[in-house]
Amino acid sequence: GAGVSQSPSNKVTEKGKDVELRCDPISGHTALYWYRQSLGQGLEFLIYFQGNSAPDKSGLPSDRFSAERTGGSVSTLTIQRTQQEDSAVYLCASSLGVGGAGRTEAFFGQGTRLTVV
Amino acid sequence: RKEVEQDPGPFNVPEGATVAFNCTYSNSASQSFFWYRQDCRKEPKLLMSVYSSGNEDGRFTAQLNRASQYISLLIRDSKLSDSATYLCVVNPRYNFNKFYFGSGTKLNVKP
Repeated sequence: GAGVSQSPSNKVTEKGKDVELRCDPISGHTALYWYRQSLGQGLEFLIYFQGNSAPDKSGLPSDRFSAERTGGSVSTLTIQRTQQEDSAVYLCASSLGVGGAGRTEAFFGQGTRLTVV
Repeated sequence: RKEVEQDPGPFNVPEGATVAFNCTYSNSASQSFFWYRQDCRKEPKLLMSVYSSGNEDGRFTAQLNRASQYISLLIRDSKLSDSATYLCVVNPRYNFNKFYFGSGTKLNVKP
């Protein structure tokens, strides 16, 4: 596709249930990021994938959160045993991942709005 | 200390005004700099990259001051449609693909 695609766009789930959020990055982009944005707040870094390297998981808030990226393309973010404080917009972004002098701006998907009731 | 700090605002300005935002970053090894714009309930979108020599795109001017570790965004002749949150983004030299986002500065342009 032309841009970063995320699904679902909205998800309402009951407390304690597991959810999976999907991100389809721009074709050819080797870097993929997950961020979380609570209402009226800034972007909170969750996890970052770069090619075949080990992901940077330093932003994951608890062990209920995990993410994988299969075949260097599609990524899924899984939240187990959801809590009300997990309610937020989950944003995925991708970038070319070019080093050196290359300018590697990130392009965002429209996000998944997660509501835990 | 946060990697990137911004004044959250809001900046309330009349149409036609000139408004400037600053953003400071803590890592002197930062490599690339960007301003993103985020409309209410939308995803962030790239507004402009920030080059060492400064750059201009229409009514928008971005400046980088490496010595003082800040970047700025100047908006001239503000339009109602400029109302949004402006996010400062910094990309460190040691990891070209790690982006640090500021929490954003909210701009409200009033008629």
